[in-house]
Amino acid sequence: GAVVSQHPSRVICKSGTSVKIECRSLDFQATTMFWYRQFPKKSLMLMATSNEGSKATYEQGVEKDKFLINHASLTLSTLTVTSAHPEDSSFYICSAIRGQGLYGYTFGSGTRLTVV
Amino acid sequence: TQLLEQSPQFLSIQEGENLTVYCNSSSVFSSLQWYRQEPGEGPVLLVTVVTGGEVKKLKRLTFQFGDARKDSSLHITAAQPGDTGLYLCAGPQIGSSNTGKLIFGQGTTLQVKP
Repeated sequence: GAVVSQHPSRVICKSGTSVKIECRSLDFQATTMFWYRQFPKKSLMLMATSNEGSKATYEQGVEKDKFLINHASLTLSTLTVTSAHPEDSSFYICSAIRGQGLYGYTFGSGTRLTVV
Repeated sequence: TQLLEQSPQFLSIQEGENLTVYCNSSSVFSSLQWYRQEPGEGPVLLVTVVTGGEVKKLKRLTFQFGDARKDSSLHITAAQPGDTGLYLCAGPQIGSSNTGKLIFGQGTTLQVKP
């Protein structure tokens, strides 16, 4: 089955530093990858849609300069949280699809970011 | 605007009880998906329902898609502690761009006590 690997699973960083999170589709080429943020016991909140070779499309209210997304290949997308603040602490999850998702959506295992 | 209203949002039951989670919308969806998520992990797809009126079973879990494809339900029979988790319904966003985005319900946190 389709597997999406997300790394790191946990990261602690100091305020003001940047953190990069990787999302890789291991056994398929992902046309599109999505980045979500999730607060405790809440649903997933879509941050941006990432297509290989083009700029990411950000949801309303998401700062594109703060959450940099790069989708350099059909198997890798990265989310960089720049100049992190404690309020950026959250659970970040990526998902990947082929085509328009008719074959299903596969999620990464998430990254717990803590900014101290 | 497409919305998925999921209920209840929290459910705490004893082992062996039955439960039903609902996912409702005023919009028609081409399909609906159900996910289960455990703490510290990403959501895992349980099932996709595509045809109006469709019923799918996964062991003790029964999923139903409404005839009009505007709602779905998840019924768990004889719940076990291993069923504990966050259950999410989701459906593809319909739009001119057809981006493949998913619309998520608010989620149902289920706790099954031994």
